[in-house]
Amino acid sequence: EPEVTQTPSHQVTQMGQEVILRCVPISNHLYFYWYRQILGQKVEFLVSFYNNEISEKSEIFDDQFSVERPDGSNFTLKIRSTKLEDSAMYFCASRDPGTGQYEQYFGPGTRLTVT
Amino acid sequence: AQKITQTQPGMFVQEKEAVTLDCTYDTSDQSYGLFWYKQPSSGEMIFLIYQGSYDEQNATEGRYSLNFQKARKSANLVISASQLGDSAMYFCAMRDFTGTASKLTFGTGTRLQVTL
Repeated sequence: EPEVTQTPSHQVTQMGQEVILRCVPISNHLYFYWYRQILGQKVEFLVSFYNNEISEKSEIFDDQFSVERPDGSNFTLKIRSTKLEDSAMYFCASRDPGTGQYEQYFGPGTRLTVT
Repeated sequence: AQKITQTQPGMFVQEKEAVTLDCTYDTSDQSYGLFWYKQPSSGEMIFLIYQGSYDEQNATEGRYSLNFQKARKSANLVISASQLGDSAMYFCAMRDFTGTASKLTFGTGTRLQVTL
């Protein structure tokens, strides 16, 4: 069964460094999302991406964040200058617009630790 | 703005028993969708079940069913015949139909512990 994959599973970085989180969505999906979950808290929407552009972003997704689909398979989230409060689990998700149920399939997540 | 409320931070259920996890929602939209996701201790988010606001019947998927009461704005998840592997966090979420993005808004989750 096709699945969303994410790399790395765990990333440790120093405050102020740039990180790139990578995702490979399910191949026939056209909508892509990033969510984050601070430890012990609920999952929060960051950004959605469709047709090679951002379709919606939350207040969390400020100028430090950017997303890109550099080729036909990868979808990346870049944090330019990490802060301690960026420590969280980051989930990538994708959706097939052809289905009627609108479910988003999540990847296993990347745990980002900023020290 | 949409809001999802899960009032049970933790629940216990004995193996083979049924359990109901509560979810209430608030939206001004007429068209919306409700989801339940399971998050085991390993951290991944697993889609369980979906209910559209215009669906006339409650959604079911194997041992999972969604008790959708539109007038009360509730979308409770019922797990029948609980298994030890059901121990996990469970999140209720709502799909935002504004725009094309269909972002999900999540509740705070319920931690379910299945005991012998």
